[in-house]
Amino acid sequence: EDQVTQSPEALRLQEGESSSLNCSYTVSGLRGLFWYRQDPGKGPEFLFTLYSAGEEKEKERLKATLTKKESFLHITAPKPEDSATYLCAVPGAGNQFYFGTGTSLTVIP
Amino acid sequence: GAGVSQSPRYKVAKRGQDVALRCDPISGHVSLFWYQQALGQGPEFLTYFQNEAQLDKSGLPSDRFFAERPEGSVSTLKIQRTQQEDSAVYLCASSPRGGDSYEQYFGPGTRLTVT
Repeated sequence: EDQVTQSPEALRLQEGESSSLNCSYTVSGLRGLFWYRQDPGKGPEFLFTLYSAGEEKEKERLKATLTKKESFLHITAPKPEDSATYLCAVPGAGNQFYFGTGTSLTVIP
Repeated sequence: GAGVSQSPRYKVAKRGQDVALRCDPISGHVSLFWYQQALGQGPEFLTYFQNEAQLDKSGLPSDRFFAERPEGSVSTLKIQRTQQEDSAVYLCASSPRGGDSYEQYFGPGTRLTVT
């Protein structure tokens, strides 16, 4: 069964303290892995799409990487405004789209 | 440009009432998705439209849930005889191309509370 698992569930970092979020997936024939950011009371905001193992993408303090079984979202020198829930998602069978439960990131000034 | 909009933003319904949730996707976007998001969880897929065709409704939890997109733009998610377990945020997303391998742009969601 297609599945997406994210860890940790919650992460508290001091401002400037770099870390990584994990997204592991089990899906046949990966057709893309997507990262989104969700702020409270808002819909998810698209960050990155990765299509093949070894691919990397960067945006400001965020870098996403992909292997055959998992993806990492690296956060370098985070700022308080990076606090949010980070979601990963993969297309499944048919037109379904599977999201993980997210990692809630809090960056403390 | 304008993003995805949803209305109403908040809806309180008494158990047994019918509700209709509206989604206005980004103009010209081919694909439209509906999701249900419970508190502290990730969005769960409900249904997918490509233009006016509903290609996948496998995520709809019961036959009380019905979605339509008659002209390939605005979509409505209807829930009949609401139950307490229907309380959640309902998210709509659109994508410029067909299929599910492209980024989706989400609306702010409709928070449904069934009392």
